[in-house]
Amino acid sequence: SQTIHQWPATLVQPVGSPLSLECTVEGTSNPNLYWYRQAAGRGLQLLFYSVGIGQISSEVPQNLSASRPQDRQFILSSKKLLLSDSGFYLCAWSVGGRETQYFGPGTRLLVL
Amino acid sequence: GQQVMQIPQYQHVQEGEDFTTYCNSSTTLSNIQWYKQRPGGHPVFLIQLVKSGEVKKQKRLTFQFGEAKKNSSLHITATQTTDVGTYFCASTSGTYKYIFGTGTRLKVLA
Repeated sequence: SQTIHQWPATLVQPVGSPLSLECTVEGTSNPNLYWYRQAAGRGLQLLFYSVGIGQISSEVPQNLSASRPQDRQFILSSKKLLLSDSGFYLCAWSVGGRETQYFGPGTRLLVL
Repeated sequence: GQQVMQIPQYQHVQEGEDFTTYCNSSTTLSNIQWYKQRPGGHPVFLIQLVKSGEVKKQKRLTFQFGEAKKNSSLHITATQTTDVGTYFCASTSGTYKYIFGTGTRLKVLA
């Protein structure tokens, strides 16, 4: 069966520090991968999606970037965190363009 | 760009009462998906509707896709405390992108 992992589960970082969040998927090949951010009590904001290795589409211009170095690995990065980067970061995968999205457990990021 | 709005934003109900959330779009949707996010958790897929006027049921949950494929609803009959959470609708935009609704947060009072 397929599983999706995200780490770390929680993270507290100072403003201006770098960020690296990792997401890996097991049990499937060539998944579409997604990064979302959810502010407290709010909806899901799509940040990036990838349909293949090295292919990244950005939805929101900001100080975040994403990379997909391997088929089932998706990384979210920042060189310098802002206070507004705080939130719940969710990775998700799907197979095909209109199929179910499966979400990882998420990373809660607090920037102080 | 495509936007999907949900109403209400919040809903408090007494246990045993019914609950409905509505999802509306200004453009025709290719499909509609519904997700549930428990407090502190991640969204979990509930169902997908693709046909005009489609109705699907899962125990106490009834999902409907509008005839014009511009709106959808989720109805819960006789709510229970386990129904607490935020319900999101979503639709695919283009080939790979998913647009999520703003969500409806349901609180069930015992």
